[in-house]
Amino acid sequence: QSVLTQPPSASGTPGQRVTISCSGSSSNIGSRYVYWYQQLPGTAPRLVIYRNNERPSGVPDRFSGSKSGTSASLAISGPRSEDEANYYCAAWDDSLSAVVFGGGTKLTVL
Amino acid sequence: QVQLQESGPGLVKPSETLSLTCAVSGGSLSSSHYYWGWIRQPPGKGLEWIGGISYTGNTYYKSSLKNRVTISADTSKNEFSLKLTSVTAADAAVYYCATGQHLDYFDYWGQGTLVTVSS
Repeated sequence: QSVLTQPPSASGTPGQRVTISCSGSSSNIGSRYVYWYQQLPGTAPRLVIYRNNERPSGVPDRFSGSKSGTSASLAISGPRSEDEANYYCAAWDDSLSAVVFGGGTKLTVL
Repeated sequence: QVQLQESGPGLVKPSETLSLTCAVSGGSLSSSHYYWGWIRQPPGKGLEWIGGISYTGNTYYKSSLKNRVTISADTSKNEFSLKLTSVTAADAAVYYCATGQHLDYFDYWGQGTLVTVSS
């Protein structure tokens, strides 16, 4: 059971906007930055969003992040086949004094 | 650009100690810009933070692993290490070393190394 809750799967077509949710609590998302990682099959995770809504250099601008209260979302506008991956949200948890991850969401591009 | 490379035995016997090393290139362990961490991923499952070490040498561990984990750094070799004692089948996973400018995130990752626990 992960501290942060994500849906196990999400899907969309290249013409759609896909969002992946991440639900937490006041001790993590509610008071800390949220990060999002993309993990392609057989590879290490890659940071795609940091500090709630910032994109690292090299991450396409179709990726965006937002946070409201104790929840956060990752949006992909016009997903491409190369975006098919598992996506994980993460945050520091003040109660646990640890980095906590969501269980991951598998994105399928139809 | 920082590059990380994990190394260590791919097979560990139950009750023994798992030892992994992460070699750092393109950056310095003693740099005030970075924290260094370990994350693992059991086959087919999600990510789990194990702990980290700061550029000052302060260590941070997941509470449920705290009694078995040690993370240390060797600045002369520019590498940091993970030791996990008394391993069981539940510790079998791909182990990643990673780094970031704050303890709570990682913008550079190693490729990961698979550790199997079996007699």
